[in-house]
Amino acid sequence: KAGVTQTPRYLIKTRGQQVTLSCSPISGHRSVSWYQQTPGQGLQFLFEYFSETQRNKGNFPGRFSGRQFSNSRSEMNVSTLELGDSALYLCASSPGTEIEAFFGQGTRLTVV
Amino acid sequence: GEDVEQSLFLSVREGDSSVINCTYTDSSSTYLYWYKQEPGAGLQLLTYIFSNMDMKQDQRLTVLLNKKDKHLSLRIADTQTGDSAIYFCAEISPSGGYNKLIFGAGTRLAVHP
Repeated sequence: KAGVTQTPRYLIKTRGQQVTLSCSPISGHRSVSWYQQTPGQGLQFLFEYFSETQRNKGNFPGRFSGRQFSNSRSEMNVSTLELGDSALYLCASSPGTEIEAFFGQGTRLTVV
Repeated sequence: GEDVEQSLFLSVREGDSSVINCTYTDSSSTYLYWYKQEPGAGLQLLTYIFSNMDMKQDQRLTVLLNKKDKHLSLRIADTQTGDSAIYFCAEISPSGGYNKLIFGAGTRLAVHP
């Protein structure tokens, strides 16, 4: 069974640009969550989608948005990038129940 | 409120047992987790425990939960160099909402010969 796939693995963007990250969950999993990992703030929850609906949202500005498609794949978008958005963005997949969440390898975003 | 705390660093000798500790504040936490992160990698789910359990054992891993003190620990028996990584404690609680994991800052485990 394939794991959680995140693309791209690495990304370099310039301040002010926007970026879209992609996450393909484990087959059959309907929930996708996104997390930001930085040395200063650690792992922080961004949002969670289930069956194309956002069920939960963390404390991030509106520049961070996401969506989920009918095949459960999810995208995360960050607009007007700031230097502080440089981080490892992790996606987690779960069946939909609050038990096991499996993470992808992450996308490392560097904003210059 | 939701808060998870861990010590930041642990150094052990190869073959010894490692014990990583974690405290949490949300008494309504339903599940508590241990994740492992190796350099440049994502998070690997090691094990989890339901809040009505005291202990869970899975091969070399033993999780102990003291719900009264809101204390969680992960014991790794016969620690190997391949166990060197950052270990994160995390919780899920109804107050956090769906599938929102609250993580500690992570404990860096260094295993030396």
